[in-house]
Amino acid sequence: DQQVKQNSPSLSVQEGRISILNCDYTNSMFDYFLWYKKYPAEGPTFLISISSIKDKNEDGRFTVFLNKSAKHLSLHIVPSQPGDSAVYFCAAERSQGNLIFGKGTKLSVKP
Amino acid sequence: GAGVSQSPSNKVTEKGKDVELRCDPISGHTALYWYRQSLGQGLEFLIYFQGNSAPDKSGLPSDRFSAERTGGSVSTLTIQRTQQEDSAVYLCASSLAETSYEQYFGPGTRLTVT
Repeated sequence: DQQVKQNSPSLSVQEGRISILNCDYTNSMFDYFLWYKKYPAEGPTFLISISSIKDKNEDGRFTVFLNKSAKHLSLHIVPSQPGDSAVYFCAAERSQGNLIFGKGTKLSVKP
Repeated sequence: GAGVSQSPSNKVTEKGKDVELRCDPISGHTALYWYRQSLGQGLEFLIYFQGNSAPDKSGLPSDRFSAERTGGSVSTLTIQRTQQEDSAVYLCASSLAETSYEQYFGPGTRLTVT
């Protein structure tokens, strides 16, 4: 039973446009939500987080939105750049140090 | 500074053999984690070490899997009597205790069981 779901395995966006990556979760007790980015043959890299007490967190071109009533979060990348092409994983912290990851969405940003 | 390192980067083993995977965390990080990623799947939590506390082993899939962390630094993940379904990329991560959600990952060990 997947507690963190990324229903889109892939997304293609034109350079300069907005990329929106979506994630749904089932457990309302999660305290923290994260986005990680992964390039081929490398480990994931932490990108941005959001606490369950907030609904938005922004860091440069990256913004994460949290809708607790819908158990949904999204990552917005504006403007998208070709170097953003990677697999993006949504994750939730089940307990300290114990993260549950989604299956990932492969983002392709075309020049 | 140096990131998380893992060895070997690739390991091919025969079904039934034991394997050991090594992780060197970032210096000063007290928390260490093991995950695995099977083909087409997300990262699956295996085990979490924090300082001298008892590890969180809740993600280990069977008693064939075990992990140790010696001296609060290097960790070894051992898989006994490997099976083909153990084939995956095994990822290690480390973090500071107070920011356990911000984990720094190594490049992984690709394990293939033939």
